[in-house]
Amino acid sequence: QKEVEQDPGPLSVPEGAIVSLNCTYSNSAFQYFMWYRQYSRKGPELLMYTYSSGNKEDGRFTAQVDKSSKYISLFIRDSQPSDSATYLCAMKKTSYDKVIFGPGTSLSVIP
Amino acid sequence: EAGVTQSPTHLIKTRGQQATLRCSPISGHTSVYWYQQALGLGLQFLLWYDEGEERNRGNFPPRFSGRQFPNYSSELNVNALELEDSALYLCASSPELAGALTGELFFGEGSRLTVL
Repeated sequence: QKEVEQDPGPLSVPEGAIVSLNCTYSNSAFQYFMWYRQYSRKGPELLMYTYSSGNKEDGRFTAQVDKSSKYISLFIRDSQPSDSATYLCAMKKTSYDKVIFGPGTSLSVIP
Repeated sequence: EAGVTQSPTHLIKTRGQQATLRCSPISGHTSVYWYQQALGLGLQFLLWYDEGEERNRGNFPPRFSGRQFPNYSSELNVNALELEDSALYLCASSPELAGALTGELFFGEGSRLTVL
């Protein structure tokens, strides 16, 4: 079993839809959770960062962490064509640990 | 301010050869990370350097090695290349303490290695 799993997609939604992206993980030691966005032919960039369980909102993006279920989510409201990218969940056990990435979900937002 | 720069952009080698990839972090960043992104496998952690020392290493064979120079730039060396080493190699940097607290890594655009 991989440490971090994501549905690879591709996920295709119409503009304006609410998008839900999810990751599951196997190691309960993970405490720090991140979502990165990667556009084609670019390096990933950090979108959201959360510590432990709970929700965090930033504009159209909301990150949720449920440590009891080992499940994290990213919601995108009012999706835009510019949101078309691969979304990677990432996590680490301590603040000074290496960051482990999921395989990514490819999202296309159709105008 | 310049971002993380990597060279070369593309590299073609044959089996058994050696490849050297280079990375310059953002000015002021002391930590450099290397990841391999192969098709369908996502980003696999390779190496982490900070202040010239290797801090952590992923589950890769010893033919993957690297170093960090006094100016914090870094080199990744892959010896005895195999076909499955074909991938995008991404370098990232972080200002050590801030990166540890936020998990933010600043990535370059990668070096694509093709092994024939």
